Amino acid sequence: SQELEQSPQSLIVQEGKNLTINCTSSKTLYGLYWYKQKYGEGLIFLMMLQKGGEEKSHEKITAKLDEKKQQSSLHITASQPSHAGIYLCGADANAGGTSYGKLTFGQGTILTVHP
Amino acid sequence: EAGVTQFPSHSVIEKGQTVTLRCDPISGHDNLYWYRRVMGKEIKFLLHFVKESKQDESGMPNNRFLAERTGGTYSTLKVQPAELEDSGVYFCASSQDYFGRGLSGSYEQYFGPGTRLTVT
Repeated sequence: SQELEQSPQSLIVQEGKNLTINCTSSKTLYGLYWYKQKYGEGLIFLMMLQKGGEEKSHEKITAKLDEKKQQSSLHITASQPSHAGIYLCGADANAGGTSYGKLTFGQGTILTVHP
Repeated sequence: EAGVTQFPSHSVIEKGQTVTLRCDPISGHDNLYWYRRVMGKEIKFLLHFVKESKQDESGMPNNRFLAERTGGTYSTLKVQPAELEDSGVYFCASSQDYFGRGLSGSYEQYFGPGTRLTVT
């Protein structure tokens, strides 16, 4: 089965600082999802990446998929307290290029942003 | 547009009892998924419906779990009888399409707020 390793497990930053969260797969990534979760709430969809080298941005969050390295990174610029939460990467479980929607998740990265 | 909704938000039951969780997907989403997270573990896939059919139920832990999606709209997940290890948060998600099917719908999975199940 495909395993996703996220790093770091937790991160504490001062407001205004940049930060990066990584997600590494044991197999080639074909569909990579980033979600954010606040305590007690559901997962909020951030971005989905499909192609090697693809990069997407939304407001101050940028995600990139490096297919050769089987890794994705999530970068937050000028962090704010509103960015605090748990960031999760998820990937299509079938590494053969086709998938049936079954997502495998990393363990999550807990982000704390101090004002 | 309403998002994915789940009911109840919390449920506390005793071991051996039965609990039924409900999920209403985003309108027009043929694909509905159940996931769960038990304490300290990653979110794990349980099963995937395409309309009313089970596309993949490889993640269902055992036959105490029964998922249905009659009519291809909302879905229920019944646990009978519940055991202590069933405690956790059960998430439902929906999408228009799924990666690799080759259709033009969106693959993005949108999650509900989850149902926190506690078995005592």
